[in-house]
Amino acid sequence: DAGVTQSPTHLIKTRGQQVTLRCSPKSGHDTVSWYQQALGQGPQFIFQYYEEEERQRGNFPDRFSGHQFPNYSSELNVNALLLGDSALYLCASTLTQMGGRASETQYFGPGTRLLVL
Amino acid sequence: GNSVTQMEGPVTLSEEAFLTINCTYTATGYPSLFWYVQYPGEGLQLLLKATKADDKGSNKGFEATYRKETTSFHLEKGSVQVSDSAVYFCALITGAQKLVFGQGTRLTINP
Repeated sequence: DAGVTQSPTHLIKTRGQQVTLRCSPKSGHDTVSWYQQALGQGPQFIFQYYEEEERQRGNFPDRFSGHQFPNYSSELNVNALLLGDSALYLCASTLTQMGGRASETQYFGPGTRLLVL
Repeated sequence: GNSVTQMEGPVTLSEEAFLTINCTYTATGYPSLFWYVQYPGEGLQLLLKATKADDKGSNKGFEATYRKETTSFHLEKGSVQVSDSAVYFCALITGAQKLVFGQGTRLTINP
């Protein structure tokens, strides 16, 4: 049973560049959430995708955007990178049940560590 | 808004010591509560959860009880091992379906 996978594992970018991070959900899951974890902090919710649409969004600027594909995999895009975007980006997946409510238990991938210089 | 507050770390204990990591929360509605663990260089792993008041979550010797009257979900383990060294996160989720995390508590167990 494949768990949540993310790529790449590490990435170095410079200020102003753009970056794309990728996530494949756990087998059987259809809902993907992205979190940003700054060093020494707890993860912060960025957004959640279901049925190829953004269903919820946290307090992140429009520079952060995403996409979900028909196979439920997802991408996180960050434009105009700032030094403060350096963090571990975590993808989590779950299953949305009948009635449109996502299961509360989310399974996390190993993360992509982004360093912006 | 919803929030989670954990005891500040780092916490350092000797092997076989008793562990408590405090967690309190503020939430509208009736959240479900979680403890996640993060080992060095890895993502988050679900350790245990509780979905309603007085529920006790347990896994791998760890326990936490959902206390609505004190809005708490303290993590306990009777005898810690070196392999328990990690960062522990308390979290909640409500109908909004997004996890809200505490700041994490780094635990180091010395042999």
